[in-house]
Amino acid sequence: NAGVTQTPKFRILKIGQSMTLQCTQDMNHNYMYWYRQDPGMGLKLIYYSVGAGITDKGEVPNGYNVSRSTTEDFPLRLELAAPSQTSVYFCASSSLLPAEAFFGQGTRLTVV
Amino acid sequence: GENVEQHPSTLSVQEGDSAVIKCTYSDSASNYFPWYKQELGKRPQLIIDIRSNVGEKKDQRIAVTLNKTAKHFSLHITETQPEDSAVYFCAASIRASNFGNEKLTFGTGTRLTIIP
Repeated sequence: NAGVTQTPKFRILKIGQSMTLQCTQDMNHNYMYWYRQDPGMGLKLIYYSVGAGITDKGEVPNGYNVSRSTTEDFPLRLELAAPSQTSVYFCASSSLLPAEAFFGQGTRLTVV
Repeated sequence: GENVEQHPSTLSVQEGDSAVIKCTYSDSASNYFPWYKQELGKRPQLIIDIRSNVGEKKDQRIAVTLNKTAKHFSLHITETQPEDSAVYFCAASIRASNFGNEKLTFGTGTRLTIIP
């Protein structure tokens, strides 16, 4: 039972580069989320999705894009990476709320 | 949108004592309030949750209370142990339709340190 799987676990990007953080879940959850966690800080919602083909912005969407073509996958795209995007990124999923949200192991991203 | 405030940001207690973390929320339509524990370098994991039709819920040494009128909820940990040291997050979720709730909004976290 894999749960929520994120790749990669670590990544260093140069300013202006782009990358996609992958997230997949095998629990057939409708809801999926992307959060960022800055050092010593809380979880800020970037984007979320309530089902395939449906996405919506969270608190801090600028500089990011998402897509949800399948129930299982919810990739996060960073365009033109900036130092302010240095953070730990968590993907999470849940069945129809209210329900437990399951988190991936996180991706530590550094932009230099 | 929903706003969740969490206090204190750091908390140190002697092993065996109790710890209390408090959260307030802004939207009276919120009806689901989970608490997550995040150990150092790990992912957040659910430890307890409460729904708005319940005032208190207990699970061994952990309890959560909810005051809907005041729009605040609290996490209580009794007989604290070293393994309770972690960051704790509260969250709230708003009922958006007859079919389910909207997204989870998290508080800013409390770093709990248990002093042996």
